[in-house]
Amino acid sequence: GQQLNQSPQSMFIQEGEDVSMNCTSSSIFNTWLWYKQDPGEGPVLLIALYKAGELTSNGRLTAQFGITRKDSFLNISASIPSDVGIYFCAGQDTNAGKSTFGDGTTLTVKP
Amino acid sequence: DTGVSQDPRHKITKRGQNVTFRCDPISEHNRLYWYRQTLGQGPEFLTYFQNEAQLEKSRLLSDRFSAERPKGSFSTLEIQRTEQGDSAMYLCASSLRGRGSANTEAFFGQGTRLTVV
Repeated sequence: GQQLNQSPQSMFIQEGEDVSMNCTSSSIFNTWLWYKQDPGEGPVLLIALYKAGELTSNGRLTAQFGITRKDSFLNISASIPSDVGIYFCAGQDTNAGKSTFGDGTTLTVKP
Repeated sequence: DTGVSQDPRHKITKRGQNVTFRCDPISEHNRLYWYRQTLGQGPEFLTYFQNEAQLEKSRLLSDRFSAERPKGSFSTLEIQRTEQGDSAMYLCASSLRGRGSANTEAFFGQGTRLTVV
């Protein structure tokens, strides 16, 4: 079946640093989604990408939809302690709307 | 609050018991999804509904699992004869599929954490 490879698995950074994480797929997706999940909570949608090559920002977050439609990356600029959490990428099936998720990048921000 | 709502948030049950979870989607959303998430993994798709019709079931959904969305609004997920391997976070999400248009992004509830002892 479809698989998403998300990297890195974990990151430990200093407050104020920029962060970059990416996601690659064996299959093409027409929609890429980035979610953040805090412990014991459900994933919260950060950014949705609908077009190959699209670059979208949400505050300090920027995400890009790869031109091949098989990858995406997420950047966080000037990290702050509340950025701590697990970040998931997801490729969304156009018809069914179901998503295939990566296994997440765990971000730790040291003050 | 008009987000996706799940109940209960936590459930501890003995092996062999039946459990039922409820999900209330965002009110105007016609699609509802169930996912399962285990520690260290991303959510895995289980099943989805468009209105009251269950359109797809994953191979992960064994015959001990059943989901319903009887009036096209809230949904229930029942697990019969629970096993320790069923311990996981069960997540519900909803989205809107418009006529002739692509699916919108899905919004998740807070999940139900199931522990089978």
